[in-house]
Amino acid sequence: ILNVEQSPQSLHVQEGDSTNFTCSFPSSNFYALHWYRWETAKSPEALFVMTLNGDEKKKGRISATLNTKEGYSYLYIKGSQPEDSATYLCAFRQAGTALIFGKGTTLSVSS
Amino acid sequence: DTAVSQTPKYLVTQMGNDKSIKCEQNLGHDTMYWYKQDSKKFLKIMFSYNNKELIINETVPNRFSPKSPDKAHLNLHINSLELGDSAVYFCASSHPNRGRRGDQYFGPGTRLLVL
Repeated sequence: ILNVEQSPQSLHVQEGDSTNFTCSFPSSNFYALHWYRWETAKSPEALFVMTLNGDEKKKGRISATLNTKEGYSYLYIKGSQPEDSATYLCAFRQAGTALIFGKGTTLSVSS
Repeated sequence: DTAVSQTPKYLVTQMGNDKSIKCEQNLGHDTMYWYKQDSKKFLKIMFSYNNKELIINETVPNRFSPKSPDKAHLNLHINSLELGDSAVYFCASSHPNRGRRGDQYFGPGTRLLVL
């Protein structure tokens, strides 16, 4: 059974704080690693897709790194804003298989 | 324009009934999916269709049957609804020609409550 683990489960930070989350996945037969942002009462939206070991992606204040050999990815948010409050989902995929989602890290940013 | 739409948004029904949830995407994608968000908020794949053909069928009771009349639609029919079927069901689509980089686009979800 393939498991994708995310930590922490939830996180509360103050506006302006920088933060990061971890996604751990099986290191064998790696194909792709996705990050999604899921706001309450909305549907998940794609943030990044990473496929190569050492990949780094950036979108505004949010960035992500990938280590396929050790099976982890980090998501960083610099200078958190209240609008960053959401659940951040990591999803892992092996070749020929469906995405396997983690349970997410729920971020709450207070002003 | 909504990229991936689902109807209904909310569905409240009695145990034992048969119901359908519809999904449509206007993105021109070839692959569509159904996910179930369980009580622990965990998103799990149920089915995946590529060009109207079933390619993934996870361990799901036979009471759940996907139907794809064309590649823009993937409907989910549920027979003999049980209390445990209460969940949020998400439809998604992706373009397989983007390969491993293909993002999935999710619908707004259908909140099913079985009484």
